[in-house]
Amino acid sequence: GENVEQHPSTLSVQEGDSAVIKCTYSDSASNYFPWYKQELGKRPQLIIDIRSNVGEKKDQRIAVTLNKTAKHFSLHITETQPEDSAVYFCAASIQGGSEKLVFGKGTKLTVNP
Amino acid sequence: NAGVTQTPKFQVLKTGQSMTLQCAQDMNHEYMSWYRQDPGMGLRLIHYSVGAGITDQGEVPNGYNVSRSTTEDFPLRLLSAAPSQTSVYFCASSTAGPLYNEQFFGPGTRLTVL
Repeated sequence: GENVEQHPSTLSVQEGDSAVIKCTYSDSASNYFPWYKQELGKRPQLIIDIRSNVGEKKDQRIAVTLNKTAKHFSLHITETQPEDSAVYFCAASIQGGSEKLVFGKGTKLTVNP
Repeated sequence: NAGVTQTPKFQVLKTGQSMTLQCAQDMNHEYMSWYRQDPGMGLRLIHYSVGAGITDQGEVPNGYNVSRSTTEDFPLRLLSAAPSQTSVYFCASSTAGPLYNEQFFGPGTRLTVL
């Protein structure tokens, strides 16, 4: 079955720096890759997603890139702010007729003022 | 709209007890799902439903039952609670499957099994 590896598990940056979180997936048929942000004690919320027919997608300070050949995708956050501190999860779709996502184990991002 | 609601917020059970975690949404979403979140493990899918009367298993279905008698409600039943089921449980819903629409998560239920 699909396996999603996420790195690093923790990331600490200074305010204003960039942060990059990487995920790899195993199922070459996966075609949808969302990223969720979860603040401490809160519910996960979708922040950006990308489909396999697109190589990059941006939304203000957040961008996601996808390399289908290498089966990896990355989240890029520029000009980080303290409110970006949270746990970030990547996910990949499972094919074979099912409507399911497999999540990575998460990255705890800390932005230091 | 209240969105996705879950009750209770916290629950402590003894091993062997049974209980039902409630999930409801008022957005007329067809797709609903249950995840569990354990430290360092991300979100793992327990069961999901693509519409009233239709349910299917996710990655970790053992020890849990679900039913979907209405579009709005998707309860999760623990038949005989075990300490390994100590976790935070999230319900989520979307217009259609999560591959085409944003999933909206509920606030979660923190369950402790002693």
